[in-house]
Amino acid sequence: EVQLAESGGGLVKPGGSLRLSCAASGLTFSSYSMNWVRQAPGKGLEWVSSISSGSSFIHYADSVKGRFTISRDNAKNSLYLQMDSLRAEDTAVYYCATKGRFGTFDAFDMWGQGTMVTVSS
Amino acid sequence: QSVLTQTPSVSGAPGQRVTISCTGSSSNIGAGYDVQWYQQLPGTAPKLLIYGNINRPSGVPDRFSGSKSGTSASLAITGLQAEDEADYYCQSYDSSLSGYVFGTGTKVTVL
Repeated sequence: EVQLAESGGGLVKPGGSLRLSCAASGLTFSSYSMNWVRQAPGKGLEWVSSISSGSSFIHYADSVKGRFTISRDNAKNSLYLQMDSLRAEDTAVYYCATKGRFGTFDAFDMWGQGTMVTVSS
Repeated sequence: QSVLTQTPSVSGAPGQRVTISCTGSSSNIGAGYDVQWYQQLPGTAPKLLIYGNINRPSGVPDRFSGSKSGTSASLAITGLQAEDEADYYCQSYDSSLSGYVFGTGTKVTVL
């Protein structure tokens, strides 16, 4: 059974930093592009960042560019999101999601349960 | 602010058919990028419902179907059931933003 488990969320002050992790099991992690998607309380989904299977291609939403850094360790089946200079508007549930189960379709096919990040003084 | 616009809410009685629309532009859906649909039950993570405009992953009931035309896409739910009460999101890629975009979301209520 495929499992994606996010961790690292919590309460942080504006301007602070946090590192999220996503541990994958039950799949060939190194074969999938990985992504972070967030959802602010009571709001819709927002794509945050993507990293290709071999880390060659990395993309960010404009809202986090220059502040967030995505990375992965295929040997550890893990995905990371380093979040710096956090703002109140970064408060959200952060989900990790795979892309690649259905070939080249841009579908986020498997999702973790999410981890909550709250930015508040 | 999302670049894909959805009707905020739709409702229907059990057994009825409802449709959810997703309106984009020439830089996303209209540019030929595929549309995906996700179902988010209350308090849970999103689940992929439709990929590549019309394809259902294994395990998704055939009551759910997707279509795309021009700068818009639609999700239809036939034979509406109580367990279909959820939020639904469309998603595509936007060349102007160089990133993935989600719709504003539609809440489906089963009367």
